[in-house]
Amino acid sequence: AQTVTQSQPEMSVQEAETVTLSCTYDTSESNYYLFWYKQPPSRQMILVIRQEAYKQQNATENRFSVNFQKAAKSFSLKISDSQLGDTAMYFCAFISDSNYQLIWGAGTKLIIKP
Amino acid sequence: EAGVTQSPTHLIKTRGQQATLRCSPISGHTSVYWYQQALGLGLQFLLWYDEGEERNRGNFPPRFSGRQFPNYSSELNVNALELEDSALYLCASSLGQGLTQPQHFGDGTRLSIL
Repeated sequence: AQTVTQSQPEMSVQEAETVTLSCTYDTSESNYYLFWYKQPPSRQMILVIRQEAYKQQNATENRFSVNFQKAAKSFSLKISDSQLGDTAMYFCAFISDSNYQLIWGAGTKLIIKP
Repeated sequence: EAGVTQSPTHLIKTRGQQATLRCSPISGHTSVYWYQQALGLGLQFLLWYDEGEERNRGNFPPRFSGRQFPNYSSELNVNALELEDSALYLCASSLGQGLTQPQHFGDGTRLSIL
């Protein structure tokens, strides 16, 4: 079975600091995508960044970057220069071509303090 | 461009009743996905519709059902409501099926069972 694990239920950092959220996954598939979504208190799920498993280069979107370690099945999210608006639940998710359904981690609540 | 829209925002029902949730995808998107997010938990995949057909189903009882209309909008029906059905129901859409098309989410419908 495919699983996604986020081991940090909650994290808190000061504004402008850098924070890394952890995610590990388990799969025997070779073709898959990994995602980080954020869900602010407004509750809409927003795509932050995605990584294709066959690409060795780590994805980057402005202040957001990932550290994708395929052999270790690890997919961490780094947020640089954190801002108050980054406060949200962050979910790691996985999808493969075997069933085309997103498998989600339990989420990490990130609080950015002023 | 309008995003994914869901209605109603909040729905209050009693045990045994039936609930209907609606979703309009982003214009041009043919795939619609339904997820259940129980309080404090991650998302659980419910259903996936593409081109009017049910493509995949999560591990939910048959009283959870839905359909996709010719205009690609979708309904989720939940029969014989139980207390544990109380959750946020999120709808997402994507430009066709496949791994390369990210899912875009609506704001969700909060279903409360009294």
